[in-house]
Amino acid sequence: AQSVSQHNHHVILSEAASLELGCNYSYGGTVNLFWYVQYPGQHLQLLLKYFSGDPLVKGIKGFEAEFIKSKFSFNLRKPSVQWSDTAEYFCAVLTGGGNKLTFGTGTQLKVEL
Amino acid sequence: GAVVSQHPSRVICKSGTSVKIECRSLDFQATTMFWYRQFPKQSLMLMATSNEGSKATYEQGVEKDKFLINHASLTLSTLTVTSAHPEDSSFYICSARDPGTGTDTQYFGPGTRLTVL
Repeated sequence: AQSVSQHNHHVILSEAASLELGCNYSYGGTVNLFWYVQYPGQHLQLLLKYFSGDPLVKGIKGFEAEFIKSKFSFNLRKPSVQWSDTAEYFCAVLTGGGNKLTFGTGTQLKVEL
Repeated sequence: GAVVSQHPSRVICKSGTSVKIECRSLDFQATTMFWYRQFPKQSLMLMATSNEGSKATYEQGVEKDKFLINHASLTLSTLTVTSAHPEDSSFYICSARDPGTGTDTQYFGPGTRLTVL
C-alpha cells in the first residue's frame, strides 16, 4: 500500500527564514502530489499540486515544491516565511485511479516574530 | 474556488445515539465525495468514497454498518454515525472532487468535531 512520510513533525522558524519541509512517498506507479495547509481553526486548503510537466510547481502565498521522481520526494519550500505561515502542512499522494488520497502525518510549522 | 461546507461544525451526543453529518458542495456538482477521520495530532485517514447514486466504497477496517453514507444528490453527501460510542469521538472531514477543474483535486470541508459522552 502507498504511504507518505513527512519527516519533520514540528518546525520552528523565525520570520524571514527559509523553509523546506520534506515529503517522501512509496508508490511505484503514476502519482499526483499535493500540499495542503491547515491554518489554526480553519479547514484544509490546497497550497499546490503536481500532476505532470514541470516538476517545479508554484503555489499560493509564495510556496513551491519540487517533484523528484528518482527520490520519490515532493518537498515544499518557501524562501522567506512569515508569521502568518504558522499552520500545519500536509503532503498527500493521489493514487488508485484518482480516488485515494493518502496523507502524510503533517508538519506543524510555527513562525516566530 | 470550489467551496465545500459541513454541518454541524460541532456535535456532542450521548453514547448509543446516532449522529448525521452533512457535506455539501456549494458551487459545483460533485459526483464523488470523500469522508475522512482525523485523530488529534494525526493525519487524515480516508474512511470511504461516496459516489452519487450508488453505494459508498469503504476502506479496510471501516464498519459500513456503523458509518452509513448516503450521496443522494450531486451536491450532498451525509455520514451517519450509528450507535455512537466514546471511541467514535473524532474530527470528521469531507471533501469533494470538482470535475469541472479537469483534475483530481479534492476540496475540503471545515470538518465536524464529534464528541460522544
